[in-house]
Amino acid sequence: AQKITQTQPGMFVQEKEAVTLDCTYDTSDPSYGLFWYKQPSSGEMIFLIYQGSYDQQNATEGRYSLNFQKARKSANLVISASQLGDSAMYFCAMREGINQGGKLIFGQGTELSVKP
Amino acid sequence: GAVVSQHPSRVICKSGTSVKIECRSLDFQATTMFWYRQFPKQSLMLMATSNEGSKATYEQGVEKDKFLINHASLTLSTLTVTSAHPEDSSFYICSARAATVNTEAFFGQGTRLTVV
Repeated sequence: AQKITQTQPGMFVQEKEAVTLDCTYDTSDPSYGLFWYKQPSSGEMIFLIYQGSYDQQNATEGRYSLNFQKARKSANLVISASQLGDSAMYFCAMREGINQGGKLIFGQGTELSVKP
Repeated sequence: GAVVSQHPSRVICKSGTSVKIECRSLDFQATTMFWYRQFPKQSLMLMATSNEGSKATYEQGVEKDKFLINHASLTLSTLTVTSAHPEDSSFYICSARAATVNTEAFFGQGTRLTVV
């Protein structure tokens, strides 16, 4: 079964508008972490934001915020005031509890295109 | 944040030869490193988990005799693609885990391997 699911293969957003990238996850481990990474065409993985399963508040980092709905097992990324440089692949990932060795499991990714 | 350096960034090799990819943590000790493979427009697929001083743990379906992983020190892990074939052409990227940082995984720049 897919542990991390991103259902939007591609998304378009107008420059300066906000966009939400969806991510749902599946785990029975009470301790886990959720990550979002941006991957431009160069291939590097750029860390955006992290949410721990026990965190009470939604994580925010500048223009990025994570809409963490624990009961729904969703961790959507919200990018506010989109910029042309935001065009890239975006990956949601999960790290399960300490007994899993710390590996990240990635979703399929969403390709975001920002239109001028 | 912590820096992970991966070399080479691009390599072209002839079919049947072997290629070694290095992953170094520059300013922290990485007891665990991860190797991922990514085909174009697809997700990162975990190949193996590399622990310093012990044998790597391979994911199901990954041939350990073809993808040799060595983690001889706390700052260096290597992936050797042996007897490479065109179907091994892919983007390979490593990730290092710092013992004291749980909220981010640090990635190398990736290696684009082309087997001709």
